Amino acid sequence: GAGVSQSPSNKVTEKGKDVELRCDPISGHTALYWYRQSLGQGLEFLIYFQGNSAPDKSGLPSDRFSAERTGGSVSTLTIQRTQQEDSAVYLCASRQDRGSVEQYFGPGTRLTVT
Amino acid sequence: QQQVKQSPQSLIVQKGGISIINCAYENTAFDYFPWYQQFPGKGPALLIAIRPDVSEKKEGRFTISFNKSAKQFSLHIMDSQPGDSATYFCAASWYSGSRLTFGEGTQLTVNP
Repeated sequence: GAGVSQSPSNKVTEKGKDVELRCDPISGHTALYWYRQSLGQGLEFLIYFQGNSAPDKSGLPSDRFSAERTGGSVSTLTIQRTQQEDSAVYLCASRQDRGSVEQYFGPGTRLTVT
Repeated sequence: QQQVKQSPQSLIVQKGGISIINCAYENTAFDYFPWYQQFPGKGPALLIAIRPDVSEKKEGRFTISFNKSAKQFSLHIMDSQPGDSATYFCAASWYSGSRLTFGEGTQLTVNP
């Protein structure tokens, strides 16, 4: 079956602009995660959605970052007023349900802020 | 309390050799320890995982060894192949389905 998909695969933006990154989880997966992978920081957690529960936003680095998950499926990560330090690969992962533990990652969106 | 430390940062192994990557964690509440394999330009792919109630898990050429008292776990790749050349990440979470805390990654190169 189809895996986690993310779009765009690459995004170049100017400093100060807003960007939206999209994640389509595996069909039927109730949990969705965003992580960021950068050279200096490795893989770090950003935000976690589980069904209809309030999201765990504890990993968001600043209030410029926000995420939504509509209809329990597609998620959008928004970065406002982008900064050069936001340059990284943004990875989305999904998990089937509360009874499972495996997270499956998408290919990521490479964001470059110039 | 939530860190996972991974070593070595890079590893070069000859084809057919054994690759060993080590991780140590601090938070004793962690109860799920996966390893991910990542190729350039791709997302991490789940390779193998272990829970703390067992000391070893083997899947094909890949084995996780887990030492609960030492708070350490390691990945062993037997008969390493050039196709295993990738970056490997250990991770941990403190309850099933929660966020993953990743190690820093190990870049493995298997020479033919």
